[in-house]
Amino acid sequence: QLQLQESGPGLVKPSETLSLTCTVSGGSISSSYYYWGWIRQPPGKGLEWIGSIYYSGSTYYNPSLKSRVTISVDTSKNQFSLKLNSVTATDTAVFYCARHTSWLGAMDVWGQGTTVTVSS
Amino acid sequence: QSVLTQPPSVSGAPGQRVTISCTGSSSNIGAGYDVHWYQQLPGAAPKLLIYDNINRPSGVPDRFSGSKSGTSASLAISGLQAEDEADYYCQSYDSSLSGWRVFGGGTKLTVL
Repeated sequence: QLQLQESGPGLVKPSETLSLTCTVSGGSISSSYYYWGWIRQPPGKGLEWIGSIYYSGSTYYNPSLKSRVTISVDTSKNQFSLKLNSVTATDTAVFYCARHTSWLGAMDVWGQGTTVTVSS
Repeated sequence: QSVLTQPPSVSGAPGQRVTISCTGSSSNIGAGYDVHWYQQLPGAAPKLLIYDNINRPSGVPDRFSGSKSGTSASLAISGLQAEDEADYYCQSYDSSLSGWRVFGGGTKLTVL
């Protein structure tokens, strides 16, 4: 059964770079049918798509975050990663990684989420 | 404000039927892009509930159903149970700007 697990620092200082990794187990990140995405949820608020990546390295970002986001993939480790730079307190959120079935497909497998707080 | 509009809250008594609307525009739902629905129980990650407008993943009870018409979509929950109390989100794709995946603002379902 496919599982996704987020990992990374739970506390990041303002103006620094937030870095998270999603490890995929029980399946290959190189499956040609799937894309891999990051979603965040600020405390008490709704879901926001950050961006997605295909195993080949093609990336797609939320236009409102594009200038600060980089998503990469490491097929040898079955992982994909998120970097969000120049963070502020408004970037504090639970970050989820998820698989989606084709570019327009639903997000059918989610990680449990990891909380990242931006604070000095 | 979200690109897709959902009511902030809905409620119903056990056994009743409730619907949650998701209103978009000509650049997302109205353009023919599929709508997906997610259930988020308190303190948990979202879970896929309905995909491609009307389809249920394996394991999702048939009490949950989806529909789509024009620039809107709806999630219906019949035979409400206490365990259905959760936040529900619709999601689609928007072709404006460079194209992006968009969520509704979420609807809190309270089972009275």
